Amino acid sequence: EDQVTQSPEALRLQEGESSSLNCSYTVSGLRGLFWYRQDPGKGPEFLFTLYSAGEEKEKERLKATLTKKESFLHITAPKPEDSATYLCAVGTYGQNFVFGPGTRLSVLP
Amino acid sequence: DSGVTQTPKHLITATGQRVTLRCSPRSGDLSVYWYQQSLDQGLQFLIQYYNGEERAKGNILERFSAQQFPDLHSELNLSSLELGDSALYFCASSIDGGTNPGREQYFGPGTRLTVT
Repeated sequence: EDQVTQSPEALRLQEGESSSLNCSYTVSGLRGLFWYRQDPGKGPEFLFTLYSAGEEKEKERLKATLTKKESFLHITAPKPEDSATYLCAVGTYGQNFVFGPGTRLSVLP
Repeated sequence: DSGVTQTPKHLITATGQRVTLRCSPRSGDLSVYWYQQSLDQGLQFLIQYYNGEERAKGNILERFSAQQFPDLHSELNLSSLELGDSALYFCASSIDGGTNPGREQYFGPGTRLTVT
């Protein structure tokens, strides 16, 4: 069965303190790995799609990378407005998106 | 703004009742997906429609049903509501059509359902 796990469950950073979030997956055939940001009570906001190992995507302070077994979301010099839950999802052959449980990020001023 | 719209934003109803949630996809997207998000659970996929036809089913209860209309908007019908059905319900749309999802989904703002 396809599975997605994320770590840590929660992360508290000081403003400017860089870190990485992890998304590990076990799937039979990866069509794409997707990162989303979700604010409380809001719909997930699409961030990145990664398709193959070695691929990287960047947007402002965020950079997503992909290996054959996991993906990392690197946050460089975060600001309080980066506080949110970050979700990863995998799209696989024969199945719709499988979402991970998310990492709840808090950035303190 | 993702371009996906959902109505209503909030819904409060009693146990045993029936409600309908509505979703309009982004312009050009033919696929609509419905998800449920409860406090203690992550995003759970319910059902997918593509151009009016059901394409995939997830953990959708028999009390729940959905359809997609010719103008591509979709409705999720929840009946015989129970307290445990209280959750956020999200609709997403994608240009991808099959059950081999390789394209991103764009989510609407959600409908918060409270069953009392």
